[in-house]
Amino acid sequence: DTAVSQTPKYLVTQMGNDKSIKCEQNLGHDTMYWYKQDSKKFLKIMFSYNNKELIINETVPNRFSPKSPDKAHLNLHINSLELGDSAVYFCASSPPGRLTDTQYFGPGTRLTVL
Amino acid sequence: GENVEQHPSTLSVQEGDSAVIKCTYSDSASNYFPWYKQELGKRPQLIIDIRSNVGEKKDQRIAVTLNKTAKHFSLHITETQPEDSAVYFCAASKGNYQLIWGAGTKLIIKP
Repeated sequence: DTAVSQTPKYLVTQMGNDKSIKCEQNLGHDTMYWYKQDSKKFLKIMFSYNNKELIINETVPNRFSPKSPDKAHLNLHINSLELGDSAVYFCASSPPGRLTDTQYFGPGTRLTVL
Repeated sequence: GENVEQHPSTLSVQEGDSAVIKCTYSDSASNYFPWYKQELGKRPQLIIDIRSNVGEKKDQRIAVTLNKTAKHFSLHITETQPEDSAVYFCAASKGNYQLIWGAGTKLIIKP
């Protein structure tokens, strides 16, 4: 099933480069998220958008910039990549409503910075 | 700030035995508590959740209990099987959109 999809699945790049990861959901959800999962497996929230509006912006270097062109897409652009950016990045989405609800995750993008 | 503590970090049980993972949370306004399972190389997926108006919820071999007074909730897996081996995450809601995540428990099922 491709309810929440991400591209690319793997990304290997050199330090200092700029790269983007794309996320799309076809669930009709209003809220989308970006998480970073490092080698210790901890899930760290980075950003969240609700109806294309930024609602969560955790302490993340400003080299990371999310963009939501519409409710179904949330892309992540990273400038000047550093070794410490190597991780798995997950996109997620959750349904509309007043209550916090299930988050549906994409398959992840494994970023390796050399 | 708000946090969720999860224990143990690693749990090894014999196949067929039960496994229990515990979480405590700090935000008394939290009202939604999901549990996610992440198999190696895969995405986290919801396995069960509970809202604050319920004390216990069960789905086949999996159950979750919630004690709002003590601010803790637990995942119980009975009759464990090899396919239960994974990392399990608990989370607690913060506001209307955010989840505060536990650090994860690696569950190992020994044959």
